[in-house]
Amino acid sequence: DTEVTQTPKHLVMGMTNKKSLKCEQHMGHRAMYWYKQKAKKPPELMFVYSYEKLSINESVPSRFSPECPNSSLLNLHLHALQPEDSALYLCASSPTGSTIDQPQHFGDGTRLSIL
Amino acid sequence: QKEVEQNSGPLSVPEGAIASLNCTYSDRGSQSFFWYRQYSGKSPELIMSIYSNGDKEDGRFTAQLNKASQYVSLLIRDSQPSDSATYLCAVKGLTGGGNKLTFGTGTQLKVEL
Repeated sequence: DTEVTQTPKHLVMGMTNKKSLKCEQHMGHRAMYWYKQKAKKPPELMFVYSYEKLSINESVPSRFSPECPNSSLLNLHLHALQPEDSALYLCASSPTGSTIDQPQHFGDGTRLSIL
Repeated sequence: QKEVEQNSGPLSVPEGAIASLNCTYSDRGSQSFFWYRQYSGKSPELIMSIYSNGDKEDGRFTAQLNKASQYVSLLIRDSQPSDSATYLCAVKGLTGGGNKLTFGTGTQLKVEL
């Protein structure tokens, strides 16, 4: 078990559905991240929030919409996804984003399947 | 040239042997280096971090960093079947304000009985 909690663990949705992924941490970390990982590939960074503000968007399609309601929570809203969006979605956190030597700690991920 | 390169493997070692995993990186401004272990279907788990040249030991794991050669490695002593996983090398520099982690493609390690 990790200290970064992601829900749900599995999600199956149709291309017209709207759903949200949730990530929560209670370590006092101020930087939170969303990654997408396809099978046999490394994690790909999608978004970074630092002190509840979006600091990096890696040119992610608008059908993915991140939200950081407070310092402990990170959401990823999904709408009109494509089958190629099926992947493991990972949330991570670190104490702050700006100190270079802080590692990121990952949650268990949400396995998303788009029908 | 990829930013962080690893041999994809699989690297097969017998139980009890030393496994040596290697990683090279292209950005000379890189300052922090991490090794993550990822079991199939699971999320990455941090096992080592290293920031200065030399060796850093933690139990059966030793990370080695050579910034002049832009090379970082992970040694696993007394390898166990439970060490069989994909090992991801990750590098952080000043890109993205210091909070962007760049991963290699990972090396699959198989420890055989």
